Amino acid sequence: QQQVKQSPQSLIVQKGGISIINCAYENTAFDYFPWYQQFPGKGPALLIAIRPDVSEKKEGRFTISFNKSAKQFSLHIMDSQPGDSATYFCAASRGGGGNKLTFGTGTQLKVEL
Amino acid sequence: NAGVMQNPRHLVRRRGQEARLRCSPMKGHSHVYWYRQLPEEGLKFMVYLQKENIIDESGMPKERFSAEFPKEGPSILRIQQVVRGDSAAYFCASSSKRESYEQYFGPGTRLTVT
Repeated sequence: QQQVKQSPQSLIVQKGGISIINCAYENTAFDYFPWYQQFPGKGPALLIAIRPDVSEKKEGRFTISFNKSAKQFSLHIMDSQPGDSATYFCAASRGGGGNKLTFGTGTQLKVEL
Repeated sequence: NAGVMQNPRHLVRRRGQEARLRCSPMKGHSHVYWYRQLPEEGLKFMVYLQKENIIDESGMPKERFSAEFPKEGPSILRIQQVVRGDSAAYFCASSSKRESYEQYFGPGTRLTVT
């Protein structure tokens, strides 16, 4: 199976709060897990990515947590800001398989003042 | 340092017409991926190309769709005899080499079939 399941579908967070988006995958051959941010009318922008040999990666306010045994990974946005309001997609790919990305269905995040 | 470029940004076609979508990868990138995003859905892989080669077309519909990436010029996704169900945003992404994981996306072409 090549699916990547993402939740929640939508999320409202207060300014300064923590936004958490979760993804689960089935194919254990996946070895690269990026997150993309997409604003309306724009293309997805690579935000942060992780390989399965680490359990956590942090870049600024964005952190990926990775649980290999559970086949789950999540994005945490600390100190969420109104400018973070966008759609977030998790994805997965497999080296040697052309690295084509399998995307989750997306989470619409709204950060309120 | 230009990113991935796509044109046109918006394309309107009547049912039965042909649609041609163009993608110029980032400078120094020779690998192109095409993805389709239907309304309220995630992106779905269509095809992966290298210069003059189709590497993986497992996500392409069997009929009416074709893609190329010539030695010179942009990659082109071609949809013949468009139908309303082809209305979607089409994104291309580029990467620098075959085993490079990082893909950088263009702004997309929004195709509307009337």
